[in-house]
Amino acid sequence: DTGVSQDPRHKITKRGQNVTFRCDPISEHNRLYWYRQTLGQGPEFLTYFQNEAQLEKSRLLSDRFSAERPKGSFSTLEIQRTEQGDSAMYLCASSPTTGGIGYTFGSGTRLTVV
Amino acid sequence: AQTVTQSQPEMSVQEAETVTLSCTYDTSESDYYLFWYKQPPSRQMILVIRQEAYKQQNATENRFSVNFQKAAKSFSLKISDSQLGDAAMYFCAYRSTDSGWGSGANSKLTFGKGITLSVRP
Repeated sequence: DTGVSQDPRHKITKRGQNVTFRCDPISEHNRLYWYRQTLGQGPEFLTYFQNEAQLEKSRLLSDRFSAERPKGSFSTLEIQRTEQGDSAMYLCASSPTTGGIGYTFGSGTRLTVV
Repeated sequence: AQTVTQSQPEMSVQEAETVTLSCTYDTSESDYYLFWYKQPPSRQMILVIRQEAYKQQNATENRFSVNFQKAAKSFSLKISDSQLGDAAMYFCAYRSTDSGWGSGANSKLTFGKGITLSVRP
């Protein structure tokens, strides 16, 4: 297993367009998390899956954001009608069920909305 | 809600010297986990060290050690024998323990704003 993979690494889009990011977690990890990180700040929690169930969503996740994890494997994060304020690094992380173990993060997808 | 505060935005250390990065947090929980993550420029976040709140012994990983003061809600990271490769942003993070068996509720990490560490050759 090569760790957590995110695709694409970079995305430039025009305001108002829809974008979708993909995350492939470590195969034996059943928990998957999405975070958003703006320049010079710490990551902010967006949403969390355990297997295919989305168990928690942040208030940061507006109606324009949707995340899925079909079959409990990879996950997608879609942003509809992008705004300039959506420009950020979107990080995915995974962890096993046993608590207290730190996450494994992916390299992130950097979104720029122009 | 839990909060994590890293009040020093930047620090600098001479190569081979020791540096301490500060972190405080606020919580009403008695059991939880604390982490330090390293994020090199344009690279992914890496776990440096973790501490379980119920353990009084401070965690150590090679050149990295923590000073965990539960009553003071302080969790500082000490880097000994600093190396050029230690230059990065360092984030302190808090995680609750699972509230239900396997449910993962409250398993998200809450991060501080981070501190940029530079290492002078």
